[in-house]
Amino acid sequence: GENVEQHPSTLSVQEGDSAVIKCTYSDSASNYFPWYKQELGKRPQLIIDIRSNVGEKKDQRIAVTLNKTAKHFSLHITETQPEDSAVYFCAASKDAGGTSYGKLTFGQGTILTVHP
Amino acid sequence: DAGVIQSPRHEVTEMGQEVTLRCKPISGHNSLFWYRQTMMRGLELLIYFNNNVPIDDSGMPEDRFSAKMPNASFSTLKIQPSEPRDSAVYFCASKGETDTQYFGPGTRLTVL
Repeated sequence: GENVEQHPSTLSVQEGDSAVIKCTYSDSASNYFPWYKQELGKRPQLIIDIRSNVGEKKDQRIAVTLNKTAKHFSLHITETQPEDSAVYFCAASKDAGGTSYGKLTFGQGTILTVHP
Repeated sequence: DAGVIQSPRHEVTEMGQEVTLRCKPISGHNSLFWYRQTMMRGLELLIYFNNNVPIDDSGMPEDRFSAKMPNASFSTLKIQPSEPRDSAVYFCASKGETDTQYFGPGTRLTVL
């Protein structure tokens, strides 16, 4: 089955700096890669996602890049703010249909702390 | 839409007791996922359903865990008997025609 590795496990930055979180996946058939943000005591919430036919996607201060050949994808947060402090999870999935039904395999999570 | 609804939000029980967690997916969604989250093991997929049918329960840790989805708007996760190592946050998530999974608020289970 799919295996997703996420690094680093913790990341501490100063407000205004950039933060980068990296993930690798094992199944070359995976073609959907979401990122979830989980604040303390809250549910995971989708912040951005990318499909395998796209190399990069951006939404304001966050962006995701995908390298299919190397089987890795990254989350980039620019101009970080204290409210960006949370746990971030990457995940990988194959398309719904067939035998996968949109099952997500999650990375282990990265605790991001943004210091004012 | 109210989003995914889970109940109870918190459950404290004693070892050996039966625990039932409940989930109402977003209306119109046809896939439902049960996850367990702990510090040590992260987010683990326990079981998922498509059109009310269990598709993969390979993540269910033991026979003490069981899940049902009797209709499109309701699912339960049952632990019988419960053990202290079952203490965790249990999330339910649902998915419709798009790829996005929407998580419920979770149930924090403590087994004493």
